[in-house]
Amino acid sequence: EDQVTQSPEALRLQEGESSSLNCSYTVSGLRGLFWYRQDPGKGPEFLFTLYSAGEEKEKERLKATLTKKESFLHITAPKPEDSATYLCAVGNTDKLIFGTGTRLQVFP
Amino acid sequence: NAGVTQTPKFQVLKTGQSMTLQCAQDMNHEYMSWYRQDPGMGLRLIHYSVGAGITDQGEVPNGYNVSRSTTEDFPLRLLSAAPSQTSVYFCASSRTTPPYEQYFGPGTRLTVT
Repeated sequence: EDQVTQSPEALRLQEGESSSLNCSYTVSGLRGLFWYRQDPGKGPEFLFTLYSAGEEKEKERLKATLTKKESFLHITAPKPEDSATYLCAVGNTDKLIFGTGTRLQVFP
Repeated sequence: NAGVTQTPKFQVLKTGQSMTLQCAQDMNHEYMSWYRQDPGMGLRLIHYSVGAGITDQGEVPNGYNVSRSTTEDFPLRLLSAAPSQTSVYFCASSRTTPPYEQYFGPGTRLTVT
């Protein structure tokens, strides 16, 4: 069965304290791994797509990496405005399968 | 571009009532989908459409109907609302069938009493 697991469920960081979020997956025929950011009361906002192991993408303080079994979202020197829930999803044939997310809080 | 729009933003229904959640996109996207989001469950796919006139079931389709008569619109109908359908509903669209990234609407928060 296709499955996406994200860890940790919640993460509290001090401003400037770098860390990583994990997304592990099992899927029959990966067709892309996606990272989204979701702010409270809003719809998910697309961040990155990764298609093959070894691929990396960066945007401001965020960097996403992909291996054959997992993806990491690295957050370098986070700021309070990075506080949000980060969702991971894998593409399978004709749909996306989402994890339950990591809720990130960054304190000044 | 307005992107993906959803109406209403909030709705309260009584058990047994029916209603339609509206979703529209102005990006000429072929693929549209409906998800529900519940605490601890993540986003779960209800129904999706790969183009006008074509729909299919997702993970949790029971109690919901969809149709896709135009490229732009993809309404979700609740036939007879139940408390278990209390959730936040998101519509999303993408240029074509995944693996292309999906763009989400702002959501509809539905409460069934």
